Amino acid sequence: GAVVSQHPSWVICKSGTSVKIECRSLDFQATTMFWYRQFPKQSLMLMATSNEGSKATYEQGVEKDKFLINHASLTLSTLTVTSAHPEDSSFYICSAREIARNTGELFFGEGSRLTVL
Amino acid sequence: AQSVTQPDIHITVSEGASLELRCNYSYGATPYLFWYVQYPGQHLQLLLKYFSGDPLVKGIKGFEAEFIKSKFSFNLRKPSVHWSDAAEYFCAALPGGYQKVTFGTGTKLQVIP
Repeated sequence: GAVVSQHPSWVICKSGTSVKIECRSLDFQATTMFWYRQFPKQSLMLMATSNEGSKATYEQGVEKDKFLINHASLTLSTLTVTSAHPEDSSFYICSAREIARNTGELFFGEGSRLTVL
Repeated sequence: AQSVTQPDIHITVSEGASLELRCNYSYGATPYLFWYVQYPGQHLQLLLKYFSGDPLVKGIKGFEAEFIKSKFSFNLRKPSVHWSDAAEYFCAALPGGYQKVTFGTGTKLQVIP
């Protein structure tokens, strides 16, 4: 099956620093990737839709200057949390939809747990 | 508003007992419907999906789900639960013509011996 890999899986940083999380589709091409945030005991909250070669589409209430998304190629999207603060601590998950299959199925990365001190 | 509802936050069943996890959706037209599972420490995996046709869908690991249009429901079932089924289960919907998948709040399944 299609594999999506995220890196790093766990990151701890100081308040005020920036953190970059990578999402790669390992064996398929994805024009669209999605970034989610998952709070404890809550569902996945869609943050933004990452489109290869164009600007990301952010959901209402998500600060685009805070969460920078770059989708430079058909297999890589990055999420940069800028000037991170403790309230940004969360589990970030990316997903991708394979171009070749028009099934609507999403393939998920393992997630990246961010802890801001 | 379009939404996916999972009314049960937490369910506990005995190993070997049957399981039903509820999911209701609120959309004008029938969306694509999915069930995902997240085992502890692992990423989300697709259990099964419904696009059209036979309303009874069979997935992996012995799970099945029934789409009932009149009830706007897509409940997940398993005849006999195993301890390894302990996980969090998410129902999701993708409206036709849209890109964004909407997830329910999840149901955490605990299996007791």
